[in-house]
This record gives sequence, structure tokens and C-alpha cells, in this order.
Amino acid sequence: SAVISQKPSRDICQRGTSLTIQCQVDSQVTMMFWYRQQPGQSLTLIATANQGSEATYESGFVIDKFPISRPNLTFSTLTVSNMSPEDSSIYLCSVVLGGWQFFGPGTRLTVL
Amino acid sequence: GQNIDQPTEMTATEGAIVQINCTYQTSGFNGLFWYQQHAGEAPTFLSYNVLDGLEEKGRFSSFLSRSKGYSYLLLKELQMKDSASYLCAGMDSNYQLIWGAGTKLIIKP
Repeated sequence: SAVISQKPSRDICQRGTSLTIQCQVDSQVTMMFWYRQQPGQSLTLIATANQGSEATYESGFVIDKFPISRPNLTFSTLTVSNMSPEDSSIYLCSVVLGGWQFFGPGTRLTVL
Repeated sequence: GQNIDQPTEMTATEGAIVQINCTYQTSGFNGLFWYQQHAGEAPTFLSYNVLDGLEEKGRFSSFLSRSKGYSYLLLKELQMKDSASYLCAGMDSNYQLIWGAGTKLIIKP
């Protein structure tokens, strides 16, 4: 199994500012994913972050808005830039290890 | 295209049995997952099926038919704490999960 931690667990931010979410895994993993879950909706994949390469973004998500870093096999960050109230969501880090998918506890973001 | 279908909401009585169905279409197939999610929390893993048949794990069981693109999650002896959303997800050939919208399960006393 994999143990995943995220920081911060929650934050309240002002419109126009940026927030960086950190994800730490207790195992070395190649594939790491960032998801968003808006209120009342299912999970939506933002991007796949593989170590040593550029993140791959899903349709509707762009690097300027959601820059991702993946400096090593156990850590990644997702930045939500120039935030608006529509970015209020739970952001989840996830990894695949041994064919299984594990999730972090999530970061609850509220944008005022 | 890739798609996961599951009912939006179901209601059941405490102590009863409920079956949540899921049909899937994915590009390649590396398994079918069920997750439980309580409001405001991250999803927690319940089951994984990659071969046809029934996998039993305590009060929860999951079934897969690859030829029909069909799975179900069976919950027995329902408890109030089982009130949650249940997410069905298929893993495609790139190891990415295709998520259903989730089934909100309401348990009544």
C-alpha cells in the first residue's frame, strides 16, 4: 500500500491569488495524478505527473492555470493560479502502485 | 468513447441488502474499482476486480462480467454508516481511471 499526505488540508483564499498544494508519498511511484472534485460532482482528472517529464493535462485544464512540479519519485505540487470562486473544490493527489490506486486525504479549497 | 454508467441515487433500509450496478466502456481494460466516499472526504478503496466473478470481502462483495461490461457492488446487513456515495471506476490500458458520477446511497432506519 501507499500512504499519501497532502498540505494544506484546507485553505480559504482570496480571488486572484495562488495556492500550492503539496503531495508526499511514502513509496517511490512513477505515476502520480491530480484530481479535482467540485461540490456534488465526481472526480475529474486534472493531469498526470510522471517524474522526469512534463505533466500531461486533460481537456479543459492548462499548465498556466495549474502548474505542476514533480521533482522526484515521492513528491509533487499542484498550484492553482489566479483563483476564482469556481476553483473552490477538493483537490486530491493519487498514485498507482502495483496496479492499485491510492488517494491522499485531499485539500479543501474555498475561494472568496 | 469511454464511459461509466451507474444510478444517481438509491435508498435502502438498515439491515437490508442493496446492489449498485455499473456498466463500463473503456479503451482497454485493467480492472474495475469500487470506492466509497463520505461527504467532504477523499474516496476510500473498497474492491478491485479484473477477472470475471464475485469477490467477497466481509459485508461487501463485487462482481464483474467483462463480456457484458458490467459490475455490481453488493452491500449486506446495511448500517447507517454505509450512507455514502459509491463510485465505480474502470482502469483503461494507460492505467488511468475512468470515473462514474457516483451513486448516492441513502440508508433509512
